[in-house]
Amino acid sequence: EAQVTQNPRYLITVTGKKLTVTCSQNMNHEYMSWYRQDPGLGLRQIYYSMNVEVTDKGDVPEGYKVSRKEKRNFPLILESPSPNQTSLYFCASSLREGRVETQYFGPGTRLLVL
Amino acid sequence: SQQGEEDPQALSIQEGENATMNCSYKTSINNLQWYRQNSGRGLVHLILIRSNEREKHSGRLRVTLDTSKKSSSLLITASRAADTASYFCATEPGGYQKVTFGTGTKLQVIP
Repeated sequence: EAQVTQNPRYLITVTGKKLTVTCSQNMNHEYMSWYRQDPGLGLRQIYYSMNVEVTDKGDVPEGYKVSRKEKRNFPLILESPSPNQTSLYFCASSLREGRVETQYFGPGTRLLVL
Repeated sequence: SQQGEEDPQALSIQEGENATMNCSYKTSINNLQWYRQNSGRGLVHLILIRSNEREKHSGRLRVTLDTSKKSSSLLITASRAADTASYFCATEPGGYQKVTFGTGTKLQVIP
């Protein structure tokens, strides 16, 4: 089954404790992206990746890191989480042929930073 | 900054009625996409319309795009209770690979 998986689905952590949210897709998609969703603000793009070893900042990259060592995986790293990073996070992937086309979303990761 | 802004923010209709929601954006785009989200779950792609298209249909969905007004509308005909969800537009500004989502329209269809 074609899908985007994220782990963990729920996470409670404390300020400053490094964490990684994993994202994996099995569709051989070139384009992958991370979003955060907050009430009243919709989805905002954190980072995106055009292909292996190619990443770029979205609209809200501060406090986040990403890497794309393999085509299928695109982990999101919070080196020193803060309470303002409490949010619902989505990973997405797309078969990009010149343009970003249909994105397939993961189920989301709810993060609470105390 | 938000590229897309949906209007209205919330919409409540009776089952069987049509629902129309609008999206406005700020810069030129390559395509515009509509997504649906059920209560905090992942988004599901509904329909994509390219910048050189004016109207597109998919089942009970009809999307229009007016690039001169930088706006799009999503019409859901003969709505069902199962259509209750939030609907988002997303754009990829021309020449870039970023994707920007609007703030969404929350649709409630009352049985």
